[in-house]
Amino acid sequence: KQEVTQIPAALSVPEGENLVLNCSFTDSAIYNLQWFRQDPGKGLTSLLLIQSSQREQTSGRLNASLDKSSGRSTLYIAASQPGDSATYLCAVNPGGGNKLTFGTGTQLKVEL
Amino acid sequence: GAVVSQHPSRVICKSGTSVKIECRSLDFQATTMFWYRQFPKQSLMLMATSNEGSKATYEQGVEKDKFLINHASLTLSTLTVTSAHPEDSSFYICSAGQGARFGEAFFGQGTRLTVV
Repeated sequence: KQEVTQIPAALSVPEGENLVLNCSFTDSAIYNLQWFRQDPGKGLTSLLLIQSSQREQTSGRLNASLDKSSGRSTLYIAASQPGDSATYLCAVNPGGGNKLTFGTGTQLKVEL
Repeated sequence: GAVVSQHPSRVICKSGTSVKIECRSLDFQATTMFWYRQFPKQSLMLMATSNEGSKATYEQGVEKDKFLINHASLTLSTLTVTSAHPEDSSFYICSAGQGARFGEAFFGQGTRLTVV
C-alpha cells in the first residue's frame, strides 16, 4: 500500500526566505506526482504536475523535483510571501487514472 | 486547466436527514470522478471512484449504503450522504481528470458538511 509522508508538518518563515518542502512515498511505481495548495476551508489548487519520466517542473517562484527511484519529491518556493501561507499537499498517481494518494501536508506560514 | 465545480460549498443539516453534493466538470467530459473526505487537520482520503454509467467503486471501510454515488452523465457525479449523523461532519471534495492521457487531476471547491 502506497504511503505518502510530508516533512515538516508545519513551517513558519519570515517573508523573503527560500524554502523547501519534502514529500516521500513508499512505492516508486508511480505515474505522476502533483503538488497542491489548500487554503483554510477551501478546495485544492493544482500547482505543479511532474510525470514519472520528468525530473522537475517550474512555475514562477515554484520548482518541484522528482526522484522516483528514491521515492522523493521536493517543492522549492523562492522569495516567499505572506500570500504563500497555506497547506501544501503532494499526491501520487499510481496508475494514470487520476486516483491520488495524498500526503500528510505541510502547513506553511510566511510572516511579515 | 480544466474546471470542476462543486455545490454546495457549505451545508448544515439535521441528524437523520440526507444531503446531496454535486460535482460537475464544466469544460470537459469525465468518465471517472473521485470523492474524497478530509477531517480537520488531516489529509484527503479517497472514499470512492464514480464511474459514468456504472456502479461506484468504494474504498475499504466506506459504507456504500450511507454514501450513495450516482454518475449519470459525463459531466455530473453526485454524492448523497444518507441519514447523516454528527460523525459524518467533514469536508467532502471531488476531483476529475481527463484520463490517463493527461494525468492531471482537478478538484472542486469542496463542501463543508455539518450535521447537528
